[in-house]
Amino acid sequence: GAGVSQTPSNKVTEKGKYVELRCDPISGHTALYWYRQSLGQGPEFLIYFQGTGAADDSGLPNDRFFAVRPEGSVSTLKIQRTERGDSAVYLCASSLEGQGFETQYFGPGTRLLVL
Amino acid sequence: AQSVTQPDIHITVSEGASLELRCNYSYGATPYLFWYVQSPGQGLQLLLKYFSGDTLVQGIKGFEAEFKRSQSSFNLRKPSVHWSDAAEYFCAVPIGGGGSQGNLIFGKGTKLSVKP
Repeated sequence: GAGVSQTPSNKVTEKGKYVELRCDPISGHTALYWYRQSLGQGPEFLIYFQGTGAADDSGLPNDRFFAVRPEGSVSTLKIQRTERGDSAVYLCASSLEGQGFETQYFGPGTRLLVL
Repeated sequence: AQSVTQPDIHITVSEGASLELRCNYSYGATPYLFWYVQSPGQGLQLLLKYFSGDTLVQGIKGFEAEFKRSQSSFNLRKPSVHWSDAAEYFCAVPIGGGGSQGNLIFGKGTKLSVKP
């Protein structure tokens, strides 16, 4: 079946603009995760959804970042008033139920560049 | 706080040589442990994971890893490296060690280069 997909694959924006990044998880996966990967670093956790609700948003760096998953499937990560420091690859992953031992399946990422 | 350390930023090995990538974790109990690989332009792919039982875990593409509680380590090994193994490798643990929460803490990664 289809894996995790993310759109767009690349996004270039100007400082201060608003961006939306989309993630389409594997069908039937109730858990969805967003991570951010800066150059030369490992992915850093941002937010975790269990179904439609954000079960843990402790990784969001500030209130400019927000994410939704209104129907428990597709998720959108929203960044307001973008800053150059937001430039990174944003990764989405999904797993069946969100248990700690489960494999997370990652999408190819969205590369965000803020000029 | 939990942490994952990968001491080697970049390793170069010759094709056909053996490989060991190091991973150390900081957690009070035995956590679940994962190794993921990231090839250029590709998403992260699970190589193997440990969550109980036999401390030597077999994974895909001929990789294995050994959990050593006494050393808080989970090193990744491969007896004979192929040129296609060139990639970045990440060790990870779930926040809280495991259980009902799967958010992962990743190490900074080790980039593997393979010489012909």
